[in-house]
Amino acid sequence: DTGVSQNPRHKITKRGQNVTFRCDPISEHNRLYWYRQTLGQGPEFLTYFQNEAQLEKSRLLSDRFSAERPKGSFSTLEIQRTEQGDSAMYLCASSPPQGSNEKLLFGSGTQLSVL
Amino acid sequence: GEDVEQSLFLSVREGDSSVINCTYTDSSSTYLYWYKQEPGAGLQLLTYIFSNMDMKQDQRLTVLLNKKDKHLSLRIADTQTGDSAIYFCAEEGLNDYKLSFGAGTTVTVRA
Repeated sequence: DTGVSQNPRHKITKRGQNVTFRCDPISEHNRLYWYRQTLGQGPEFLTYFQNEAQLEKSRLLSDRFSAERPKGSFSTLEIQRTEQGDSAMYLCASSPPQGSNEKLLFGSGTQLSVL
Repeated sequence: GEDVEQSLFLSVREGDSSVINCTYTDSSSTYLYWYKQEPGAGLQLLTYIFSNMDMKQDQRLTVLLNKKDKHLSLRIADTQTGDSAIYFCAEEGLNDYKLSFGAGTTVTVRA
């Protein structure tokens, strides 16, 4: 296992199109997180899964955004009717169950550009 | 909500020590983290400290935590050109699945 994997690395789309990103966490990690990072800012929390259950969604996650983790392994983040303001780096992270000494590890991110 | 603040830029000469500072507001923070981000890349976990500690050393990295003042610092000894990156401070509150990040400190190492 080489770490948290995200695909694609880059996505360019036209305003109004739908996009979907994929995240494959570290296999032993039952917790999965999505963050968004805009230029010059730190990452902001979007949503969190424990196994297949989505336990929290940030108010940043408008109804155009949906995240799934159907089998408790990989996750997808879909953005419908993209807007220019959605342009950002979307980061996925995973962590093992609570009580482990391992901490949150991030993937390389998907850079979205909405034209 | 939680607020994490960092200075935006730091320039340091190769071989000198770098000190990056961070302040946070959530007194219930359990862990505090330092992540490193190189251009176009994700975040690399550098080190973290539990809130009941005041210092942690890991090779060239030293983390100091002043819980009373809610101040965290990262010292990088013998700074190298490969240390040029953006460094993010983050706090983990009672809800341990969410991290709150600062805006990042861009460290530039000059020869």
